[in-house]
Amino acid sequence: SQQGEEDPQALSIQEGENATMNCSYKTSINNLQWYRQNSGRGLVHLILIRSNEREKHSGRLRVTLDTSKKSSSLLITASRAADTASYFCATAHNTDKLIFGTGTRLQVFP
Amino acid sequence: NAGVTQTPKFRVLKTGQSMTLLCAQDMNHEYMYWYRQDPGMGLRLIHYSVGEGTTAKGEVPDGYNVSRLKKQNFLLGLESAAPSQTSVYFCASSRDLGYGYTFGSGTRLTVV
Repeated sequence: SQQGEEDPQALSIQEGENATMNCSYKTSINNLQWYRQNSGRGLVHLILIRSNEREKHSGRLRVTLDTSKKSSSLLITASRAADTASYFCATAHNTDKLIFGTGTRLQVFP
Repeated sequence: NAGVTQTPKFRVLKTGQSMTLLCAQDMNHEYMYWYRQDPGMGLRLIHYSVGEGTTAKGEVPDGYNVSRLKKQNFLLGLESAAPSQTSVYFCASSRDLGYGYTFGSGTRLTVV
């Protein structure tokens, strides 16, 4: 059973706009991670946020974590066409593995 | 600085044939994982290893076997391929759970 569920499943925006995608999970976590996957490629790690953190930034990426609501959001500011990809959240629990969600497909139009 | 290398990149098998997918990492990572990715299903964990000589079952282990004889290599075997095993297979490695995963570029397997 998958722990992370992303919302929306698909998102289309214009270049320069911000993109926000959300992730919800079911049980307590040690950390939550976000990954990007370009079409036909492997996943690339973007950012990791630990359970005792509430917000983290990396370049144009901003991740928030609300453990009381068991949810996280990924904000990409000033989107570019090159940001077109699928984005996955993954949750780490008290086990040796990550559980991935089904992903959000982001399309950024020039 | 190759990271995680998967071979082969593509393969077509007939039902009942066997094959081994190879994953190699050069980062001295302890943890290695095999996932399969199917449309609309996200990534599902097949098997994983927390160190040389160890393996463990993931979410969808049936029909697959794995071995981790050397720290840098993690092999995924299909003993008797079935059409349901048509998928894209990804290998990943990690220093430990407090760090992100490094993924390979995937193996696209078709079983006819």
